[in-house]
Amino acid sequence: GQQLNQSPQSMFIQEGEDVSMNCTSSSIFNTWLWYKQDPGEGPVLLIALYKAGELTSNGRLTAQFGITRKDSFLNISASIPSDVGIYFCAGLNYGGSQGNLIFGKGTKLSVKP
Amino acid sequence: DAMVIQNPRYQVTQFGKPVTLSCSQTLNHNVMYWYQQKSSQAPKLLFHYYDKDFNNEADTPDNFQSRRPNTSFCFLDIRSPGLGDAAMYLCATSPRGGTGYTFGSGTRLTVV
Repeated sequence: GQQLNQSPQSMFIQEGEDVSMNCTSSSIFNTWLWYKQDPGEGPVLLIALYKAGELTSNGRLTAQFGITRKDSFLNISASIPSDVGIYFCAGLNYGGSQGNLIFGKGTKLSVKP
Repeated sequence: DAMVIQNPRYQVTQFGKPVTLSCSQTLNHNVMYWYQQKSSQAPKLLFHYYDKDFNNEADTPDNFQSRRPNTSFCFLDIRSPGLGDAAMYLCATSPRGGTGYTFGSGTRLTVV
């Protein structure tokens, strides 16, 4: 089945530093999504990417959809304490009646003030 | 605001005692999904409804059932919860085709 490899598994950084995480897949996706999940909460969508090569920003976050449609990265600039959480990439092949999200295993981000 | 609401946020049930988790949406999305997320793992799809059509993932245990009485509500029934079923259960919705995925805040299930 389809799998996403997300790295790194965890990161410990100093407040103000930039962060980069990425996902790769053995198969193609129509859409890449990046979510943040806080403890005890559901995933919250950060950025959605729909076109190969697309580069999209959302405040301090920037994400790109790889040309091959098999990878994506997420960058966070000038990290702050509230960036702490688990970041998931997810691939989606939509069409027909439904879209099954395939999740990466997550990157746990810790930020030291 | 349009949203996906899950109740309760926390549920404690006894081993073997049936439990029902609920999800409601105001987005009028065709598709509703149930995911299971165990500690430190990614969410895993259990099943989904496209309107009234039920679609079960191949590896979802028979212990898990779902009902969707109308567009707005979807229920997850666990017939005989085991200790291994303790997890966060996430409901999500999307329009036909899958874009616009929205998650609820989840229900944390504890089995004692």
